[in-house]
Amino acid sequence: EPEVTQTPSHQVTQMGQEVILRCVPISNHLYFYWYRQILGQKVEFLVSFYNNEISEKSEIFDDQFSVERPDGSNFTLKIRSTKLEDSAMYFCASSEWNTEAFFGQGTRLTVV
Amino acid sequence: DQQVKQNSPSLSVQEGRISILNCDYTNSMFDYFLWYKKYPAEGPTFLISISSIKDKNEDGRFTVFLNKSAKHLSLHIVPSQPGDSAVYFCAASDSGNQFYFGTGTSLTVIP
Repeated sequence: EPEVTQTPSHQVTQMGQEVILRCVPISNHLYFYWYRQILGQKVEFLVSFYNNEISEKSEIFDDQFSVERPDGSNFTLKIRSTKLEDSAMYFCASSEWNTEAFFGQGTRLTVV
Repeated sequence: DQQVKQNSPSLSVQEGRISILNCDYTNSMFDYFLWYKKYPAEGPTFLISISSIKDKNEDGRFTVFLNKSAKHLSLHIVPSQPGDSAVYFCAASDSGNQFYFGTGTSLTVIP
């Protein structure tokens, strides 16, 4: 069964460092998303991506964040200068159209 | 501003009984609703969805009911099984490119 895969499963980084979270969406899907969940809080939308550009982004997705689909299969989230409050589970998801999104297992980002 | 709300953070049900998880929303433009199940340290898993043109959708033990006038949906699980113990998230979409999630309800099914 096709699935969304995310790497790494856990990333520890120093405050101020750049991190790149990687995702391989399901191959025939057209929409790609990043969500995050801070421990004990709700799942929050960050950004959606369609046709090689950002289609929507939330207030959380500021200039420190960027997304890229560098090679037609990977979908990456870059945080340029990490802050302590960026510590969270980051989930990548993909969907065929405006239908259910399928989520990856998540990357736990810990900023120290 | 929370557009999708799950007011019960937790629910305990005896095995074999019905579990009813509730969700309220505020945005009348939402036209697609989903339920996700999440185990610790895993990503949300899609369970069932419903379009706003319907008021009920059933898939095996899972049924979702939508009451548009009340801006309310619910997920019924019958019969509940211990493996159903997880956090359940309600989500909604307005034909845009994002899903709005509730805060989740932790379901415990007691054997």
